[in-house]
Amino acid sequence: KNQVEQSPQSLIILEGKNCTLQCNYTVSPFSNLRWYKQDTGRGPVSLTIMTFSENTKSNGRYTATLDADTKQSSLHITASQLSDSASYICVVTDSWGKLQFGAGTQVVVTP
Amino acid sequence: DAGVIQSPRHEVTEMGQEVTLRCKPISGHNSLFWYRQTMMRGLELLIYFNNNVPIDDSGMPEDRFSAKMPNASFSTLKIQPSEPRDSAVYFCASTFGLAEHTDTQYFGPGTRLTVL
Repeated sequence: KNQVEQSPQSLIILEGKNCTLQCNYTVSPFSNLRWYKQDTGRGPVSLTIMTFSENTKSNGRYTATLDADTKQSSLHITASQLSDSASYICVVTDSWGKLQFGAGTQVVVTP
Repeated sequence: DAGVIQSPRHEVTEMGQEVTLRCKPISGHNSLFWYRQTMMRGLELLIYFNNNVPIDDSGMPEDRFSAKMPNASFSTLKIQPSEPRDSAVYFCASTFGLAEHTDTQYFGPGTRLTVL
Protein backbone atom coordinates (compact mmCIF):
# COMPACT_ATOMS: atom_id res chain seq x y z
CA LYS A 1 0.00 0.00 0.00
CA ASN A 2 1.29 3.43 -0.89
CA GLN A 3 2.46 5.29 2.18
CA VAL A 4 1.43 8.64 0.71
CA GLU A 5 -2.12 9.10 -0.54
CA GLN A 6 -3.26 12.24 -2.33
CA SER A 7 -6.77 13.41 -3.03
CA PRO A 8 -8.53 14.28 -5.14
CA GLN A 9 -6.89 12.62 -8.12
CA SER A 10 -7.93 15.58 -10.24
CA LEU A 11 -10.01 18.71 -9.99
CA ILE A 12 -11.25 21.52 -12.17
CA ILE A 13 -11.68 25.00 -10.74
CA LEU A 14 -12.65 28.37 -12.09
CA GLU A 15 -10.05 31.07 -12.31
CA GLY A 16 -10.07 33.18 -9.18
CA LYS A 17 -11.45 30.47 -6.94
CA ASN A 18 -9.65 28.74 -4.09
CA CYS A 19 -8.97 25.03 -3.76
CA THR A 20 -7.41 22.61 -1.30
CA LEU A 21 -5.45 19.47 -2.03
CA GLN A 22 -4.95 16.71 0.52
CA CYS A 23 -2.02 14.47 1.37
CA ASN A 24 -2.29 11.70 3.98
CA TYR A 25 0.72 9.63 4.88
CA THR A 26 1.79 6.73 7.05
CA VAL A 27 5.54 7.29 6.72
CA SER A 28 7.34 6.90 10.04
CA PRO A 29 9.56 8.16 11.52
CA PHE A 30 8.77 11.39 9.75
CA SER A 31 11.41 13.86 8.67
CA ASN A 32 9.82 16.28 6.25
CA LEU A 33 7.00 16.76 3.78
CA ARG A 34 7.36 18.55 0.47
CA TRP A 35 4.86 19.84 -2.02
CA TYR A 36 5.93 20.14 -5.64
CA LYS A 37 4.26 21.73 -8.64
CA GLN A 38 4.89 20.09 -11.98
CA ASP A 39 3.87 21.79 -15.20
CA THR A 40 3.28 19.54 -18.18
CA GLY A 41 6.56 18.56 -19.81
CA ARG A 42 8.73 20.04 -17.10
CA GLY A 43 10.45 18.93 -13.92
CA PRO A 44 8.84 19.37 -10.51
CA VAL A 45 9.39 22.66 -8.73
CA SER A 46 9.50 22.85 -4.96
CA LEU A 47 6.67 24.85 -3.35
CA THR A 48 7.07 24.16 0.37
CA ILE A 49 9.07 21.99 2.74
CA MET A 50 7.84 21.35 6.29
CA THR A 51 9.29 19.53 9.24
CA PHE A 52 7.55 17.97 12.21
CA SER A 53 7.43 21.21 14.16
CA GLU A 54 5.94 23.34 11.40
CA ASN A 55 2.17 23.69 11.06
CA THR A 56 1.95 26.01 8.10
CA LYS A 57 4.16 27.45 5.41
CA SER A 58 3.33 29.81 2.60
CA ASN A 59 4.82 30.49 -0.80
CA GLY A 60 2.89 33.28 -2.46
CA ARG A 61 -0.66 32.10 -3.10
CA TYR A 62 0.24 28.58 -1.98
CA THR A 63 -0.18 27.67 1.69
CA ALA A 64 0.68 24.24 3.04
CA THR A 65 -0.43 22.92 6.40
CA LEU A 66 0.83 19.94 8.34
CA ASP A 67 -0.75 18.01 11.18
CA ALA A 68 1.93 15.56 12.25
CA ASP A 69 -0.38 13.96 14.80
CA THR A 70 -2.95 12.90 12.24
CA LYS A 71 -0.33 12.62 9.48
CA GLN A 72 -2.19 14.90 7.16
CA SER A 73 -1.12 17.80 5.01
CA SER A 74 -3.00 20.13 2.74
CA LEU A 75 -2.03 22.57 0.02
CA HIS A 76 -4.32 25.54 -0.40
CA ILE A 77 -4.27 27.60 -3.57
CA THR A 78 -5.74 31.06 -3.18
CA ALA A 79 -7.27 33.05 -6.03
CA SER A 80 -6.26 30.49 -8.64
CA GLN A 81 -4.73 31.56 -11.90
CA LEU A 82 -4.51 29.79 -15.24
CA SER A 83 -0.82 29.21 -14.56
CA ASP A 84 -1.74 27.09 -11.55
CA SER A 85 -2.86 24.34 -13.91
CA ALA A 86 -0.39 21.58 -13.12
CA SER A 87 0.15 18.40 -11.19
CA TYR A 88 0.85 18.80 -7.47
CA ILE A 89 2.91 16.09 -5.84
CA CYS A 90 3.33 15.39 -2.13
CA VAL A 91 6.60 13.74 -1.06
CA VAL A 92 7.30 12.53 2.47
CA THR A 93 10.81 11.70 3.68
CA ASP A 94 11.56 9.54 6.69
CA SER A 95 14.38 10.08 9.17
CA TRP A 96 16.71 7.83 7.18
CA GLY A 97 16.25 9.78 3.98
CA LYS A 98 13.80 7.40 2.33
CA LEU A 99 11.41 9.26 0.04
CA GLN A 100 7.79 8.23 -0.51
CA PHE A 101 5.76 9.80 -3.28
CA GLY A 102 2.10 10.56 -3.72
CA ALA A 103 0.51 9.95 -7.10
CA GLY A 104 -0.25 13.64 -7.50
CA THR A 105 -3.35 15.76 -7.98
CA GLN A 106 -3.98 17.16 -11.44
CA VAL A 107 -5.41 20.69 -11.22
CA VAL A 108 -7.03 22.39 -14.17
CA VAL A 109 -7.93 26.06 -13.86
CA THR A 110 -10.47 27.24 -16.41
CA PRO A 111 -11.24 30.83 -17.46
CA ASP B 1 23.68 29.30 -12.38
CA ALA B 2 22.17 27.34 -15.26
CA GLY B 3 20.37 24.94 -12.98
CA VAL B 4 20.48 21.18 -13.30
CA ILE B 5 21.44 20.18 -16.83
CA GLN B 6 20.35 16.93 -18.40
CA SER B 7 21.16 15.43 -21.75
CA PRO B 8 19.84 14.32 -24.06
CA ARG B 9 16.38 15.86 -23.73
CA HIS B 10 14.85 13.15 -25.89
CA GLU B 11 16.11 9.71 -26.72
CA VAL B 12 14.52 7.13 -28.96
CA THR B 13 16.19 3.76 -29.15
CA GLU B 14 15.45 0.18 -30.02
CA MET B 15 15.01 -2.60 -27.54
CA GLY B 16 18.31 -4.14 -26.57
CA GLN B 17 20.39 -1.02 -27.11
CA GLU B 18 22.41 0.68 -24.42
CA VAL B 19 21.15 4.06 -23.23
CA THR B 20 23.16 6.59 -21.25
CA LEU B 21 21.55 9.59 -19.62
CA ARG B 22 23.67 12.43 -18.29
CA CYS B 23 23.27 14.97 -15.54
CA LYS B 24 25.22 17.98 -14.34
CA PRO B 25 24.06 19.12 -10.90
CA ILE B 26 24.07 22.69 -9.65
CA SER B 27 27.55 23.70 -8.62
CA GLY B 28 28.09 23.34 -4.88
CA HIS B 29 25.30 20.84 -4.34
CA ASN B 30 26.33 17.70 -2.50
CA SER B 31 23.41 15.38 -3.27
CA LEU B 32 22.16 14.15 -6.60
CA PHE B 33 19.00 12.16 -7.29
CA TRP B 34 17.82 10.16 -10.29
CA TYR B 35 14.05 9.80 -10.67
CA ARG B 36 11.82 8.07 -13.17
CA GLN B 37 8.28 9.19 -13.97
CA THR B 38 5.56 7.31 -15.83
CA MET B 39 1.83 7.72 -16.04
CA MET B 40 1.28 4.36 -14.39
CA ARG B 41 3.74 4.60 -11.52
CA GLY B 42 4.17 8.33 -11.04
CA LEU B 43 7.45 9.68 -9.74
CA GLU B 44 9.93 7.14 -8.35
CA LEU B 45 13.37 7.59 -6.86
CA LEU B 46 15.93 5.33 -8.52
CA ILE B 47 19.15 6.27 -6.74
CA TYR B 48 20.60 9.06 -4.68
CA PHE B 49 24.21 10.11 -4.19
CA ASN B 50 25.76 12.24 -1.50
CA ASN B 51 29.30 13.50 -2.02
CA ASN B 52 29.52 11.21 -5.07
CA VAL B 53 28.74 8.10 -3.02
CA PRO B 54 25.53 6.13 -3.59
CA ILE B 55 23.40 6.37 -0.46
CA ASP B 56 20.21 4.64 -1.52
CA ASP B 57 19.92 2.57 -4.68
CA SER B 58 16.95 0.49 -3.56
CA GLY B 59 14.83 2.04 -6.30
CA MET B 60 16.99 0.80 -9.13
CA PRO B 61 14.67 -1.62 -10.94
CA GLU B 62 17.15 -4.35 -11.83
CA ASP B 63 20.69 -5.09 -12.90
CA ARG B 64 20.09 -3.52 -16.28
CA PHE B 65 20.22 -0.13 -14.58
CA SER B 66 23.43 1.37 -13.27
CA ALA B 67 24.40 4.85 -12.12
CA LYS B 68 27.72 6.49 -11.51
CA MET B 69 28.92 9.78 -10.17
CA PRO B 70 32.64 10.02 -10.95
CA ASN B 71 32.88 13.59 -9.67
CA ALA B 72 30.80 16.32 -8.09
CA SER B 73 29.75 17.79 -11.41
CA PHE B 74 28.65 14.78 -13.42
CA SER B 75 26.49 11.69 -13.17
CA THR B 76 25.27 9.07 -15.59
CA LEU B 77 22.38 6.64 -15.58
CA LYS B 78 22.86 3.70 -17.89
CA ILE B 79 20.34 1.13 -19.07
CA GLN B 80 21.78 -1.95 -20.76
CA PRO B 81 19.98 -3.61 -22.44
CA SER B 82 16.99 -1.30 -22.73
CA GLU B 83 13.42 -2.62 -22.86
CA PRO B 84 10.14 -0.97 -23.94
CA ARG B 85 8.98 -0.85 -20.31
CA ASP B 86 11.89 1.49 -19.55
CA SER B 87 10.14 4.19 -21.56
CA ALA B 88 9.65 7.09 -19.19
CA VAL B 89 10.85 10.56 -18.32
CA TYR B 90 14.03 10.44 -16.27
CA PHE B 91 14.72 13.40 -14.00
CA CYS B 92 17.89 14.36 -12.23
CA ALA B 93 17.73 16.64 -9.20
CA SER B 94 20.34 18.13 -6.90
CA THR B 95 20.36 19.69 -3.47
CA PHE B 96 22.82 20.95 -0.93
CA GLY B 97 22.14 18.51 1.94
CA LEU B 98 20.93 15.00 2.60
CA ALA B 99 17.47 13.77 1.61
CA GLU B 100 16.20 13.99 5.17
CA HIS B 101 17.25 17.61 5.39
CA THR B 102 15.05 20.48 4.29
CA ASP B 103 17.15 21.88 1.49
CA THR B 104 15.28 22.53 -1.72
CA GLN B 105 15.73 19.97 -4.46
CA TYR B 106 16.14 21.43 -7.90
CA PHE B 107 15.04 19.29 -10.82
CA GLY B 108 16.42 19.22 -14.31
CA PRO B 109 14.19 19.35 -17.38
CA GLY B 110 14.21 15.58 -17.76
CA THR B 111 15.10 13.13 -20.50
CA ARG B 112 12.18 11.57 -22.31
CA LEU B 113 13.20 8.03 -23.21
CA THR B 114 11.29 5.93 -25.71
CA VAL B 115 12.35 2.34 -26.25
CA LEU B 116 10.79 0.75 -29.31
